[in-house]
Amino acid sequence: DIVMTQSPDSLAVSLGERATINCKSSQSVLYISNNKNSLAWYQQKPGQPPKLLIYWASTRQSGVPDRFSGSGSGTDFTLTISSLQAEDVAVYYCQQYYNSPWTFGQGTKVEIK
Amino acid sequence: QVQLVESGGGEVQPGRSLRLSCEASGFAFNLYAMHWVRQAPGKGLEWVATLWYDGRNEKYADSVKDRFTISRDNSKKMLYLQMNSLRAEDTAMYYCVRDPLSYGWFDYWGQGTLVTVSS
Repeated sequence: DIVMTQSPDSLAVSLGERATINCKSSQSVLYISNNKNSLAWYQQKPGQPPKLLIYWASTRQSGVPDRFSGSGSGTDFTLTISSLQAEDVAVYYCQQYYNSPWTFGQGTKVEIK
Repeated sequence: QVQLVESGGGEVQPGRSLRLSCEASGFAFNLYAMHWVRQAPGKGLEWVATLWYDGRNEKYADSVKDRFTISRDNSKKMLYLQMNSLRAEDTAMYYCVRDPLSYGWFDYWGQGTLVTVSS
């Protein structure tokens, strides 16, 4: 199984400042066939189901604000919130879909400082 | 709009069975792979099972293999999860999720149905 490890477990960022979440996979999730990384990011607010933010490591889902961006390749990935808003308080998960079992990171809790 | 509505959760004793249902609407259900993903209280996300659009290919997490069965009725736009031999560690919110391109990422999630396994 591919193990996904996020860091940090939690972070507190001031409104308007940048938040950066890291995700590392235990093996490469790069599809050679299409040269894309099989990595998605989700946001989960309290009491709600997760919401897809990004897939293929850097493709923003329709309707997701452009302050959210994904980057990285191979085994190391980053979710960046360029200017944190109050509504961004949530737990963020990365997920690999390179092969099953599809696995998630443990989550990173983002709070306002 | 796309909607996924789960039902069938509840409290059940260890060793008993439960069947979850997910009613889909707002999209061509028969064209999409569907999954169940669960989340234990206060914990992270765990993929449980997948069934491809035509119902011919299914996959399970090792933690539920041989106990859970995923199925679908495309004519009714319904997804199911039959859970047998339930254990305390199966206690979780169970989400029905859509896979937009059958790669394994999840673009729409239901609100979830809570399963509690307790004596």
